[in-house]
Amino acid sequence: DTAVSQTPKYLVTQMGNDKSIKCEQNLGHDTMYWYKQDSKKFLKIMFSYNNKELIINETVPNRFSPKSPDKAHLNLHINSLELGDSAVYFCASSQRAEKLFFGSGTQLSVL
Amino acid sequence: DQQVKQNSPSLSVQEGRISILNCDYTNSMFDYFLWYKKYPAEGPTFLISISSIKDKNEDGRFTVFLNKSAKHLSLHIVPSQPGDSAVYFCAASEKGGGSEKLVFGKGTKLTVNP
Repeated sequence: DTAVSQTPKYLVTQMGNDKSIKCEQNLGHDTMYWYKQDSKKFLKIMFSYNNKELIINETVPNRFSPKSPDKAHLNLHINSLELGDSAVYFCASSQRAEKLFFGSGTQLSVL
Repeated sequence: DQQVKQNSPSLSVQEGRISILNCDYTNSMFDYFLWYKKYPAEGPTFLISISSIKDKNEDGRFTVFLNKSAKHLSLHIVPSQPGDSAVYFCAASEKGGGSEKLVFGKGTKLTVNP
């Protein structure tokens, strides 16, 4: 019954690999997000989708590509992983401009 | 450039006492402020919010105070309980931005000792 679920919870991979993180929400929300929490603990928005349409794309390398097959899903694909991509990635959803509901996070470690 | 600052990385209080978590912001366009609570290995969960048209919002043991002239807000937890031990994030959004434009602080780790 998890409202916002993301998989995997942990992801350990080598530099140069391509990986994906999946996110699904069952709250019926129109908007979904990807946030990154880096080593300095800041939570920063990466992308936002509203009804499958990209509405926010912060300064993120184009190795990161979000894909939203429907409004309940927002996946994050990362090409050519680098050491600096190691972080915790959080998926979130909201209804219009209301509070965010976060997933439990994916801890990505690039070796 | 940190637009939302939580200058205390940690805070320790005794059970039953008041916990006061502080947050400062620099962007005068922010008009909506939220507090999120995060337990280890979980995502942040919404706690309480306040609009810039108010200076106080209360929800049970949690009260948020906003001082717009000082660009400062605080979260009061009274009485503090051991289950309140978590990291608390302050967040803010610009006029018309709503949740789409939330800017978070670095968080303050609260420890409530029994």
